[in-house]
Amino acid sequence: DAMVIQNPRYQVTQFGKPVTLSCSQTLNHNVMYWYQQKSSQAPKLLFHYYDKDFNNEADTPDNFQSRRPNTSFCFLDIRSPGLGDAAMYLCATSREEQGGGTDTQYFGPGTRLTVL
Amino acid sequence: AQSVSQHNHHVILSEAASLELGCNYSYGGTVNLFWYVQYPGQHLQLLLKYFSGDPLVKGIKGFEAEFIKSKFSFNLRKPSVQWSDTAEYFCAGYNTDKLIFGTGTRLQVFP
Repeated sequence: DAMVIQNPRYQVTQFGKPVTLSCSQTLNHNVMYWYQQKSSQAPKLLFHYYDKDFNNEADTPDNFQSRRPNTSFCFLDIRSPGLGDAAMYLCATSREEQGGGTDTQYFGPGTRLTVL
Repeated sequence: AQSVSQHNHHVILSEAASLELGCNYSYGGTVNLFWYVQYPGQHLQLLLKYFSGDPLVKGIKGFEAEFIKSKFSFNLRKPSVQWSDTAEYFCAGYNTDKLIFGTGTRLQVFP
């Protein structure tokens, strides 16, 4: 089945120790998103890739970076995790036409990050 | 500010009760609206979506939603809930290229 896969499902890191979360998709979608979701809150968009074009949200901290080496994979790098970065990180994909922003987003299961 | 708001943060029902979860959006222009469900320990799944056409949208698992433009609303309904509907429900809408989520409604259904 076509899907969005996130690894690992659970990640524990130490305060200040860099961590990388990965997302892969078999849907061949051209747009990939990273969201942060804290307990009992709505998912918050961090950034997204439209093809190879990176789009950062204005309020995403510099501590968060992303890479998309190819269509199928996207990575979230947290350079120096703080206690406040503990959250569920969701990856999503969609198929967008030029100037899109309208199609359904398909979500992965998420990676729960714990910062000690 | 452009936003999507959900009125009910926590809803508790007995099985077979009817459900209506409120959702309002605060922006104009082209409106594309979604309801997502997140079952315990699982990922966000699409329940239904509205882009255009018939304002009454049917989704999976017996859910439906009605888009009422005059009220800026997109409420989710189900005539008879089941224990398995226990989950978190998120309303979301696109404004330009960004999907905006409501804060979610936690539904608990007791047998």
